[in-house]
Formats: sequence, structure tokens, C-alpha cells
Amino acid sequence: GQQVMQIPQYQHVQEGEDFTTYCNSSTTLSNIQWYKQRPGGHPVFLIQLVKSGEVKKQKRLTFQFGEAKKNSSLHITATQTTDVGTYFCAGPEGNFGNEKLTFGTGTRLTIIP
Amino acid sequence: EAGVAQSPRYKIIEKRQSVAFWCNPISGHATLYWYQQILGQGPKLLIQFQNNGVVDDSQLPKDRFSAERLKGVDSTLKIQPAKLEDSAVYLCASSLVARGHYEQYFGPGTRLTVT
Repeated sequence: GQQVMQIPQYQHVQEGEDFTTYCNSSTTLSNIQWYKQRPGGHPVFLIQLVKSGEVKKQKRLTFQFGEAKKNSSLHITATQTTDVGTYFCAGPEGNFGNEKLTFGTGTRLTIIP
Repeated sequence: EAGVAQSPRYKIIEKRQSVAFWCNPISGHATLYWYQQILGQGPKLLIQFQNNGVVDDSQLPKDRFSAERLKGVDSTLKIQPAKLEDSAVYLCASSLVARGHYEQYFGPGTRLTVT
């Protein structure tokens, strides 16, 4: 089945530094979703990318979908303590109308104040 | 709108005992998912319902896990008998349509500890 890997597994940054997590799928994706999970919390949807090469921004967060639609990245500019958490990418697999999401391994971000 | 509700929030049982989790999805969401999330890992799909039909249960350990979704709304996930390796957070999620183009909304999860 489809595998979705993320690097790095952990990232510790000083507050104000930038952060990037990379997501790679073993198969071509129709779209990719990103979720954030705060410590002790549940995953919360951030964004969905659909088009090849698509770039979307949400304030300090920039999401990119690769040209081949097999990889994606999330970049956070000038991190804040509120950015702490684990970031997961997730890609669908299966037949149209019955897709299921395969979640990546996640990147855990911690901020040093 | 109200979010996905789950109960209980925490459960501690001994191995070989049984346990059940309950989920109430967001009103109008046809698709319901149960995930298992082991500490430090991403959520792993156990079973996916479209209304009250099973779409995917390929990763559900059917010798001990069962799930149902009566009337296409609430769902229960049961483990019988539990093993130590079942210790995890069990997340329920729902979405409007299982077409890969709609985000999933997660409940707070049930943290299960098997001793």
C-alpha cells in the first residue's frame, strides 16, 4: 500500500526561527492534506492542496505541492510558541468516492523560548 | 456547529478484558472513521464507514476488534479481548463525503491503557 514519510521526525527551533517539514509519498497523489496536532490534542485540518506545483499561504505558513504530486512541504516563518505540535501530511488512496487517508509519520516541532 | 463527540475520554482496563468506545459525528457527515494512534505515530485507519456501510476495514484486527454504525449516525468500536499492544488513543473522525477532497474533523479521542 501507499506509504507517506515525513522528515525530520523532530525539530527543535528557537522562537523566531523558521521551520520546514517535508512529506514524500510512494505514489502519486490526487491531493494532499496537512493537519496539526497539539500536545495532548487531536489532529486539526490545516489545508488541502490539489494542483501540481500549488502554493498556498496561511499567515506565516506556506504549503507547497510538488510538480510530480508525490511530495509536499510546510514552511513556517518566524515560529511562535503557538506553533508547537506535530504536523502531519496525509494523502488519499483507493477508488474514487471511497478514498481513505494515509497519514505521514509526522514532524514534531518544539519551540525554545 | 458541534464537533465530533467521543466517550469515554480515558479508559484503563486489564488485558483480556473488553472495552467499547462511542462516537457521534458531526451532523450530516456521511463518512465516519476510526483511527488508532500509538504514541509518537500518525493515526492509522482501522475502519471507514459510508453511511452505515463499511468502505474499508483492511487494517482492523477482526479477531478482536469490531465496529458498527447503526442508522448511519453514531458508531461504536469494541475490543474483545484487549492486549497490551492495544494501548493507544482511539480517534473518531467524520467528513462530508469520502472523496479525498473534504477535510476530516476529529474528535478528542479515547486514551486506552491496557495493563
